[in-house]
Amino acid sequence: GESVGLHLPTLSVQEGDNSIINCAYSNSASDYFIWYKQESGKGPQFIIDIRSNMDKRQGQRVTVLLNKTVKHLSLQIAATQPGDSAVYFCAEAYYKLSFGAGTTVTVRA
Amino acid sequence: DVKVTQSSRYLVKRTGEKVFLECVQDMDHENMFWYRQDPGLGLRLIYFSYDVKMKEKGDIPEGYSVSREKKERFSLILESASTNQTSMYLCASSPNRGRPPLGETQYFGPGTRLLVL
Repeated sequence: GESVGLHLPTLSVQEGDNSIINCAYSNSASDYFIWYKQESGKGPQFIIDIRSNMDKRQGQRVTVLLNKTVKHLSLQIAATQPGDSAVYFCAEAYYKLSFGAGTTVTVRA
Repeated sequence: DVKVTQSSRYLVKRTGEKVFLECVQDMDHENMFWYRQDPGLGLRLIYFSYDVKMKEKGDIPEGYSVSREKKERFSLILESASTNQTSMYLCASSPNRGRPPLGETQYFGPGTRLLVL
């Protein structure tokens, strides 16, 4: 069955440093991956996506890397800011989205 | 800009009450979804709809029903609320871009935190 997980449930980052959030997936047939950000008391917000025919995609201050060989996905946030404090979910999709449990990122001033 | 709204941010209901949670999207999306989110369990799909008047069960439909009379509106109904339905309820929508309805990027509303006493 599908299993989407994040390596660490929590991550503490110094403001200004880069953050790396990891995610492992188990379904080798998954062809589409999404990262979401959920701030306290709010719904998940789409950050960036990547299709399986790519291994890297960049957005504004964020980069997603996909390693299909080891079924690993990561989200890199450059110059982490206090507003980046949130829970980050990865989701994999084949015929349906499967969401990971999330990593809580805390930014230290 | 993507916009999904939910009728209430917080609700307090009593056991046995009928509860309606409303969701509206203004993006002309075909697909709409209802999830509940609980600590340690992540997002669990309750019901989804890929067209007006169409509905499909998700992973945990028991105790819930849905209604989609118009494309932009998807309602979740708790026929007789119970304390184990205390949760955060999230509505989402997605366009039809050729992927399966459940496999497309979903855009979420702000959530309704429901407390059943």
